Amino acid sequence: GQQVMQIPQYQHVQEGEDFTTYCNSSTTLSNIQWYKQRPGGHPVFLIQLVKSGEVKKQKRLTFQFGEAKKNSSLHITATQTTDVGTYFCAAASGGSYIPTFGRGTSLIVHP
Amino acid sequence: DAGVIQSPRHEVTEMGQEVTLRCKPISGHDYLFWYRQTMMRGLELLIYFNNNVPIDDSGMPEDRFSAKMPNASFSTLKIQPSEPRDSAVYFCASSFGTSTVSPLHFGNGTRLTVT
Repeated sequence: GQQVMQIPQYQHVQEGEDFTTYCNSSTTLSNIQWYKQRPGGHPVFLIQLVKSGEVKKQKRLTFQFGEAKKNSSLHITATQTTDVGTYFCAAASGGSYIPTFGRGTSLIVHP
Repeated sequence: DAGVIQSPRHEVTEMGQEVTLRCKPISGHDYLFWYRQTMMRGLELLIYFNNNVPIDDSGMPEDRFSAKMPNASFSTLKIQPSEPRDSAVYFCASSFGTSTVSPLHFGNGTRLTVT
């Protein structure tokens, strides 16, 4: 089945620094979703991108979908300790409506 | 809405015992998913249902695992017999939509420990 590669696996930052996680696929994606899972919690839906080159913002979070619809990124500006958690991308391709999850990027923010 | 409800939150059992995990999806959602999460393998899709019908169970690891959805408001995931390598967090998720990829709403999960 389709796979999405997510990097990095872990990222340590000092509070106030920026953070970016990347999601890559070898196939063209129909859409991509991003989720956040706090330690000990469950994945929570953040956003969905559908259009080529689409950019969406949620406060300090910026989500991008590549022009070729094969990659996506999540960028957090000026991280805070509340941003700690694992960020997952989930993507669907072809005729499937079922998203495949990446392995996630765990963000650790040091105060 | 109460969201997706899973029970129990924690389950500790001995190897060889039967384990049943339960899930109540969000009312009106027509898709239900069972995921398993471990450090080694991440989030794995085990099986999903559409309108109570199992659509893809290719992620179910072995015959020891079975899942049912007798009605739109209830699903179970059963492991019989359980083994230590089944220890993981099991999530149930539901979504609504038949013509597009829809956001998944996850339950709080069941942390299973098999000793």
